[in-house]
Amino acid sequence: GAGVSQTPSNKVTEKGKYVELRCDPISGHTALYWYRQSLGQGPEFLIYFQGTGAADDSGLPNDRFFAVRPEGSVSTLKIQRTERGDSAVYLCASSSPGGGGPDTQYFGPGTRLTVL
Amino acid sequence: GDSVTQMEGPVTLSEEAFLTINCTYTATGYPSLFWYVQYPGEGLQLLLKATKADDKGSNKGFEATYRKETTSFHLEKGSVQVSDSAVYFCALSDQGGSYIPTFGRGTSLIVHP
Repeated sequence: GAGVSQTPSNKVTEKGKYVELRCDPISGHTALYWYRQSLGQGPEFLIYFQGTGAADDSGLPNDRFFAVRPEGSVSTLKIQRTERGDSAVYLCASSSPGGGGPDTQYFGPGTRLTVL
Repeated sequence: GDSVTQMEGPVTLSEEAFLTINCTYTATGYPSLFWYVQYPGEGLQLLLKATKADDKGSNKGFEATYRKETTSFHLEKGSVQVSDSAVYFCALSDQGGSYIPTFGRGTSLIVHP
């Protein structure tokens, strides 16, 4: 596609519920990153995929958070037993060895998650 | 660990004023440095980057120079426009491996006509 897309753009859920957030990276981009951005803060790294595998998940805050990328393209961030503190904008980015270089990330518009 | 410190905002300027947004960093190696911009209602976009000391990144009239001696990467623009109103994020990433960036907290810029 033309850019990184994320769905839904907004998600409101109740405390304790399960949510899934989807990211479609730029076609052909092998690296995919998830971030969480709280109000007034910069993005905080959650997890990084290289292809299908999670190369670094050190940013996941606890075991309620999980992400997959089964075919090396679309990724889903899954949050179990949501808590009010999970409310934030969840950002996805992708990058490629070519183009701007592996250190140039292209961000999606984000999913705003609100946990009531 | 690595960290990035940006000046607090909001920065409020009149159109055509000179802009400086300060950014300093702490890193163990020799990181790449970035400025990202987030316009209202949009996702983060890479504005410019520099990969080694004394490199100058530039784009859309914005510039920033990688200063290793002062560990800084200040963003400048000679004449801002209303359309530059946005939140600006300074970031760094290691040049090998995962390229996972560390972001600053962001600086909001408001430009009045």
